[in-house]
Amino acid sequence: EPEVTQTPSHQVTQMGQEVILRCVPISNHLYFYWYRQILGQKVEFLVSFYNNEISEKSEIFDDQFSVERPDGSNFTLKIRSTKLEDSAMYFCASSTEDTAQETQYFGPGTRLLVL
Amino acid sequence: KQEVTQIPAALSVPEGENLVLNCSFTDSAIYNLQWFRQDPGKGLTSLLLIQSSQREQTSGRLNASLDKSSGRSTLYIAASQPGDSATYLCAATGNQFYFGTGTSLTVIP
Repeated sequence: EPEVTQTPSHQVTQMGQEVILRCVPISNHLYFYWYRQILGQKVEFLVSFYNNEISEKSEIFDDQFSVERPDGSNFTLKIRSTKLEDSAMYFCASSTEDTAQETQYFGPGTRLLVL
Repeated sequence: KQEVTQIPAALSVPEGENLVLNCSFTDSAIYNLQWFRQDPGKGLTSLLLIQSSQREQTSGRLNASLDKSSGRSTLYIAASQPGDSATYLCAATGNQFYFGTGTSLTVIP
């Protein structure tokens, strides 16, 4: 069964460094998403992406964050200058239709630790 | 802003029991309500999706209901099994996805 994959599974970085989290969505999906979950807290929506542009973003997704679909298979989340509070599990998800119509399929997550 | 709350936060039941998990949301203008399962250290697995025009959805031993007017959804699990142990999340879908706090379920053999 097709699944969303994410790399790396764990990343440790120093505060102020840039990180890129990578996701390979399911191949025929058109809508892509990033979420984060700070330890012990709710899963929070960051951004949705369709047709090579951001369709929705939350207040968390500030200028420090960017997303890109550099080729036909990868979907990346970049954090330009990491802060301690960026430490979280980051989940990528994809779907064939938008969230009003269709569920999303989630990857296993990347655990980011900022020191 | 949509607020989604789940009660109880944790639940422990003996195997075989039927149980109900509750989800409430503050803004009834949703496209759908979804239930997910999250296993420790893993991603989320979609269980059921109820469109805003629907009242319930069923999949195997799971049944989810939706009452938009009161801002509530329930997930009913019949004949619980140890393999059902996980955290269950509900999410209300508007322009964004708003997740609840989750219910951590333990089914004791």
